[in-house]
Amino acid sequence: GQQLNQSPQSMFIQEGEDVSMNCTSSSIFNTWLWYKQDPGEGPVLLIALYKAGELTSNGRLTAQFGITRKDSFLNISASIPSDVGIYFCAGQLATGNQFYFGTGTSLTVIP
Amino acid sequence: DGGITQSPKYLFRKEGQNVTLSCEQNLNHDAMYWYRQDPGQGLRLIYYSQIVNDFQKGDIAEGYSVSREKKESFPLTVTSAQKNPTAFYLCASTRTGVETQYFGPGTRLLVL
Repeated sequence: GQQLNQSPQSMFIQEGEDVSMNCTSSSIFNTWLWYKQDPGEGPVLLIALYKAGELTSNGRLTAQFGITRKDSFLNISASIPSDVGIYFCAGQLATGNQFYFGTGTSLTVIP
Repeated sequence: DGGITQSPKYLFRKEGQNVTLSCEQNLNHDAMYWYRQDPGQGLRLIYYSQIVNDFQKGDIAEGYSVSREKKESFPLTVTSAQKNPTAFYLCASTRTGVETQYFGPGTRLLVL
């Protein structure tokens, strides 16, 4: 299946700092989704992107659909302890119905 | 409340036993999916279904089976042929045309 490269694999940051992570693929995607997963729980959808260049915010979270349609970025501003978790990207090809997932970015926020 | 429910939260399987994981959604979504999650890995697709009475294999379908007799329900059976079933199983659904996928809370399967 498609491989999504997500980086960084893990981050340790101080409370109040901004966070950036990204996903890249070798194929062109029509849709990019960003999720947060807490331990033992299902992923929760944070932001959905449908157009190249699209920039969408959800509170302190901002995500962008890359111009090349092969990448996407997620930024978290002014991090707080409850931001701790694993963040996943997911993409869907123009053809087909499957979603493909990155391996996740583990975020630790130090108070 | 609308959403996706999975049961049970934890499931124990004995050697040679088949077990069935439940997934129900009341979102009126057309497509449903089953994923397996292992530590340090991304989600891997087991099976998916776009419409009732139809489903397709994903990347790791061996040792699993599904049915889609109702739009709301997509149960997953982990058969005895699956030699390494210990994992976190996630069910998801998507409304066709608005490609946004939502997940259930997951079922953790452990082998005794």
